[in-house]
Amino acid sequence: DTEVTQTPKHLVMGMTNKKSLKCEQHMGHRAMYWYKQKAKKPPELMFVYSYEKLSINESVPSRFSPECPNSSLLNLHLHALQPEDSALYLCASSPLGVNEKLFFGSGTQLSVL
Amino acid sequence: AQKVTQAQTEISVVEKEDVTLDCVYETRDTTYYLFWYKQPPSGELVFLIRRNSFDEQNEISGRYSWNFQKSTSSFNFTITASQVVDSAVYFCALTLRDNTDKLIFGTGTRLQVFP
Repeated sequence: DTEVTQTPKHLVMGMTNKKSLKCEQHMGHRAMYWYKQKAKKPPELMFVYSYEKLSINESVPSRFSPECPNSSLLNLHLHALQPEDSALYLCASSPLGVNEKLFFGSGTQLSVL
Repeated sequence: AQKVTQAQTEISVVEKEDVTLDCVYETRDTTYYLFWYKQPPSGELVFLIRRNSFDEQNEISGRYSWNFQKSTSSFNFTITASQVVDSAVYFCALTLRDNTDKLIFGTGTRLQVFP
């Protein structure tokens, strides 16, 4: 299994909603990432988990809350988002770190109304 | 500072044409890694190649080839005999040896291959 699976594929939420994005990999990778990608822009790093511990938070607003319950699973909890948070959210994993190949999921397209 | 520049925002070609996507990088480190990723309309980024700074050998994989030149800080990507399935956004990216887990992306080049 060489896949990173993200659910849901699409999500529409209001500014008062609470929702979660899920990411799963079963490749034994020790590093997992959340990226945000706006249309026609490159992905922007949000969070990095290394060995299930948060190692990088790129000054992301607290309305985004990551969680790594185990080595295969990564969640992104969303609360009180703004319309400008609408974007494609990509999860990725790598065996040990970013100097190796990253495996990306197909993303969650999020719309905040 | 580290930076990756992809000056070509969009390229359109007709099937079977050869096309080269340019990538120029900036870093003061002597050890670094360069990557190309492909992002088709489906959304996921697909790894194409990784090169470390000490390996300047050019690489060919099927219709894809890469030209790494440290003298000009470039890592260009050529698709030979392009196909419609090559239509995608292509990102060049850079990481450093210190493995800060930050992948520095270029702005991407959108390639459209018409039948």
